Amino acid sequence: GENVEQHPSTLSVQEGDSAVIKCTYSDSASNYFPWYKQELGKGPQLIIDIRSNVGEKKDQRIAVTLNKTAKHFSLHITETQPEDSAVYFCAANTDSWGKLQFGAGTQVVVTP
Amino acid sequence: SQTIHQWPATLVQPVGSPLSLECTVEGTSNPNLYWYRQAAGRGLQLLFYSVGIGQISSEVPQNLSASRPQDRQFILSSKKLLLSDSGFYLCAWRGLREDNEQFFGPGTRLTVL
Repeated sequence: GENVEQHPSTLSVQEGDSAVIKCTYSDSASNYFPWYKQELGKGPQLIIDIRSNVGEKKDQRIAVTLNKTAKHFSLHITETQPEDSAVYFCAANTDSWGKLQFGAGTQVVVTP
Repeated sequence: SQTIHQWPATLVQPVGSPLSLECTVEGTSNPNLYWYRQAAGRGLQLLFYSVGIGQISSEVPQNLSASRPQDRQFILSSKKLLLSDSGFYLCAWRGLREDNEQFFGPGTRLTVL
């Protein structure tokens, strides 16, 4: 089955700097890679996703890149702000029923 | 627009008591529905998923069961709770199209004492 590894587990950045989170997956059949942001005590919120037919996608300060050959994808947050502080999860689909395999999460702390 | 509800928001139950958590989705039809558990330490574990009324697939053998009595209602149950059942339970939905995104509900925090 699919296995998703996520690094780093914690990331501390100064406000205004960039943050990068990396994930690798094992199943070459995976073709959908979402990223979620989870604030304390809340459900995960989908912030961006990418499909295997594109290499990069951008939405304002966040972007995701995908390297299918190497089977890894990354989340990039530019000009970080304190409200970006949260746990971020990457995921990969495992089948056509929409099941997702999640990474272990990255705690991002943005310090003013 | 679509919304997903979960209740209760928090629950404290004694060991050995029954459990019923409810999830409902509004604004869509025939969604795929999912139950996840998130233990302390952040990981999301898929427990059950459903592609239609009465159709439940279990991902992990455990002390829990799920049911889908109506198209947009998903219930997580247990006859006797264990201490290890404590956690943050999340319901999610996805539209029928294969490329549709999966959206999570607000979650239920369950503490078993």
